[in-house]
Amino acid sequence: SAVISQKPSRDICQRGTSLTIQCQVDSQVTMMFWYRQQPGQSLTLIATANQGSEATYESGFVIDKFPISRPNLTFSTLTVSNMSPEDSSIYLCSVGDLGTGGPGGELFFGEGSRLTVL
Amino acid sequence: AQKVTQAQTEISVVEKEDVTLDCVYETRDTTYYLFWYKQPPSGELVFLIRRNSFDEQNEISGRYSWNFQKSTSSFNFTITASQVVDSAVYFCALSRYEYALNFGKGTSLLVTP
Repeated sequence: SAVISQKPSRDICQRGTSLTIQCQVDSQVTMMFWYRQQPGQSLTLIATANQGSEATYESGFVIDKFPISRPNLTFSTLTVSNMSPEDSSIYLCSVGDLGTGGPGGELFFGEGSRLTVL
Repeated sequence: AQKVTQAQTEISVVEKEDVTLDCVYETRDTTYYLFWYKQPPSGELVFLIRRNSFDEQNEISGRYSWNFQKSTSSFNFTITASQVVDSAVYFCALSRYEYALNFGKGTSLLVTP
């Protein structure tokens, strides 16, 4: 199974600032995703991080607000820009690999980055 | 459009009781994947099972079992002889394409001694 490290694990941020979350995987993976889990809510997909190209964003999420990078097959970053209290959430990195059983194979999640925006 | 419905918001049982968590899904895809995840109070997501749309066999893993019925678009999860450590939020999820998941709202399970 893939081991995923997310940094920071938690942070308290001021309104109007930006924060970059890092996701590092211990092996090369095909797919990387970023999810948001607002307090007491379910997980919502923000975007698919594509290696070497622009991320694919879900409805309601835009690149200006959530720029994503994926320079290689083991690393991705998510930036939450111009934060407001509504951005207070847990942000989770998820990875999947065709090597772990093919399409629909096991998906692994990082432990999440808990952001509080004051 | 895909949708996952977990109608049970919260369930409370006494230890050793059996409990079933319901999951109903909607999709127009012929190939899709269904998942269950556990999120204990510590917050991490724990993978429990993946099932593809072509495999309707029920599965049992220890005290856990899953009942997949395409005819009713349901993928229910049963915990037998529940334990306090089973207390968590359980999410059912559906893949829209490879690996990207559409989650239900989750069912919070509380098992009391």
